[in-house]
Amino acid sequence: GAVVSQHPSWVICKSGTSVKIECRSLDFQATTMFWYRQFPKQSLMLMATSNEGSKATYEQGVEKDKFLINHASLTLSTLTVTSAHPEDSSFYICSASDGTYEQYFGPGTRLTVT
Amino acid sequence: TQLLEQSPQFLSIQEGENLTVYCNSSSVFSSLQWYRQEPGEGPVLLVTVVTGGEVKKLKRLTFQFGDARKDSSLHITAAQPGDTGLYLCAGAAIGSQGNLIFGKGTKLSVKP
Repeated sequence: GAVVSQHPSWVICKSGTSVKIECRSLDFQATTMFWYRQFPKQSLMLMATSNEGSKATYEQGVEKDKFLINHASLTLSTLTVTSAHPEDSSFYICSASDGTYEQYFGPGTRLTVT
Repeated sequence: TQLLEQSPQFLSIQEGENLTVYCNSSSVFSSLQWYRQEPGEGPVLLVTVVTGGEVKKLKRLTFQFGDARKDSSLHITAAQPGDTGLYLCAGAAIGSQGNLIFGKGTKLSVKP
């Protein structure tokens, strides 16, 4: 139980284009989903928290107009990186919670912007 | 701002040795989770501790939550190469909406 999937697992895009990453909870309803960014050999950095049907809450320093988050259902959240630049290249990981204090993580999406 | 200090940051040991990873904070957490992450993959939840003084065992891994719920430790007995990975502790602040505060991680390498 508590499986979270992410799609795509890796993506390469050109600078200036937008990329959408999907996060799905496969066997439970996720009242809250979280988006993290992880740089090589570093820990996870929380970008934003989203509750189903509500606007996402972004962490300080994260541009909400650049990283668009939609949590339209209890099993799906999307992160869209708009007008991507090489510095946006990173490992993006989502997690989902069913309302308890535990988070279940997706396998991550490796984004490379050329 | 709540912080979770994790140590050591790097650990390289021989197969069969024991090791302990620590997470410390000056703040109280309602729960604390330990995760293990392989390169290029998402973190996998190992255990959640909730009660002060709680001890949980997962095969050769022993997790302990401090009495005051401000610190936790992970002890691995007779480490094996398969234990190699990044170990992350994460705490849920009291009154938070499920947000986790992550330690910086411990990169463990177990050599055969």
